Amino acid sequence: NAGVTQTPKFQVLKTGQSMTLQCAQDMNHNSMYWYRQDPGMGLRLIYYSASEGTTDKGEVPNGYNVSRLNKREFSLRLESAAPSQTSVYFCASSELTGDNSPLHFGNGTRLTVT
Amino acid sequence: EDKVVQSPLSLVVHEGDTVTLNCSYEVTNFRSLLWYKQEKKAPTFLFMLTSSGIEKKSGRLSSILDKKELSSILNITATQTGDSAIYLCAGTNTGGFKTIFGAGTRLFVKA
Repeated sequence: NAGVTQTPKFQVLKTGQSMTLQCAQDMNHNSMYWYRQDPGMGLRLIYYSASEGTTDKGEVPNGYNVSRLNKREFSLRLESAAPSQTSVYFCASSELTGDNSPLHFGNGTRLTVT
Repeated sequence: EDKVVQSPLSLVVHEGDTVTLNCSYEVTNFRSLLWYKQEKKAPTFLFMLTSSGIEKKSGRLSSILDKKELSSILNITATQTGDSAIYLCAGTNTGGFKTIFGAGTRLFVKA
């Protein structure tokens, strides 16, 4: 019963380094999402993929890129990390496209950029 | 700009108390209001509300939506230490993929 799996769980980067956060879901969901969670600000959408082969910007896309590799996998890349990207990153998926099904979240990646 | 505001930001109660968490929203083309519980890691889904005045219930938790007041409440009766968590409220819009989250209410239940 894996659900949504994210790797790594923790990561420390130096400013300017790059990395890719991996996400996979085994629920055959169509839509996948990347959020960041910062204290006092709630969850903010970075990018989403409504279905395999499509990606769109969310509320805070600057400094990030994504790839929907197949229906199961959706990765988030930081090309040149900045301290402002220190956050907890959550991947999520939903069964239906659009607005009518709840999100299923992974356990998060805690990223620190020094 | 769409927004979801939760109150209080944090709350400390004793086991057995009843608590009410508040959520107000301003979401263009509003579709639904969702509640999630976040313990140590991933938020987990509690309720989805789309119609005003219809209470959704799961054990000691219940929630209701008021579309006239653009608000929702989450009630927890007979609280237990296992209810300690951050409770997130989120609004969705029609036809889009936007889920707007509030900052959450951090609930701590003392034994």
